[in-house]
Amino acid sequence: QKEVEQDPGPLSVPEGAIVSLNCTYSNSAFQYFMWYRQYSRKGPELLMYTYSSGNKEDGRFTAQVDKSSKYISLFIRDSQPSDSATYLCAMSAEYNTDKLIFGTGTRLQVFP
Amino acid sequence: NAGVTQTPKFQVLKTGQSMTLQCAQDMNHNSMYWYRQDPGMGLRLIYYSASEGTTDKGEVPNGYNVSRLNKREFSLRLESAAPSQTSVYFCASSEDILRTGGPGELFFGEGSRLTVL
Repeated sequence: QKEVEQDPGPLSVPEGAIVSLNCTYSNSAFQYFMWYRQYSRKGPELLMYTYSSGNKEDGRFTAQVDKSSKYISLFIRDSQPSDSATYLCAMSAEYNTDKLIFGTGTRLQVFP
Repeated sequence: NAGVTQTPKFQVLKTGQSMTLQCAQDMNHNSMYWYRQDPGMGLRLIYYSASEGTTDKGEVPNGYNVSRLNKREFSLRLESAAPSQTSVYFCASSEDILRTGGPGELFFGEGSRLTVL
């Protein structure tokens, strides 16, 4: 069993929809949670970072962590075609960046 | 505003050939990384360098070597390429930790697509 599981998609939604992207994990020691966005044929870029449990909001994006269920989510409100990308979750028990474990990514397509 | 620059962007090799992927960053970061990305496997760390003069193995180091040439440059070498090394390779750099604590934000290059026949 992988430490981090992520549905590969693709997830296809109409413009304006609310999107929910999710990851589950098995290591209860994980406390740092990140979401990276990767456009086609580009490198990933950091989108959201959350420490421990709770919610964090940034514009149309909300990151949510439920440590009791070992489950993290990224919500996108009012989705736009420009949100079409692959979304990678990443997490770590330590602050060392080399200890980050990435999910396989979920491909999102937002159609006009 | 270059960030992280990787060369080459595409390469086709025959089994047994060698090659070096080059990476340079202009953000004055101490830490640099090489990842590979494969379908269904996600990003996996090959090697990293926490500072100039140091390198350490990541999750999948077999078949690779690295050199931290100076603070800006970090190269990845395949001595004898195998079809299993067909992948997209990403170089990244980061601050040591986030200003708010936690793993430093990774800044990635655009990737090098390698095919080994």
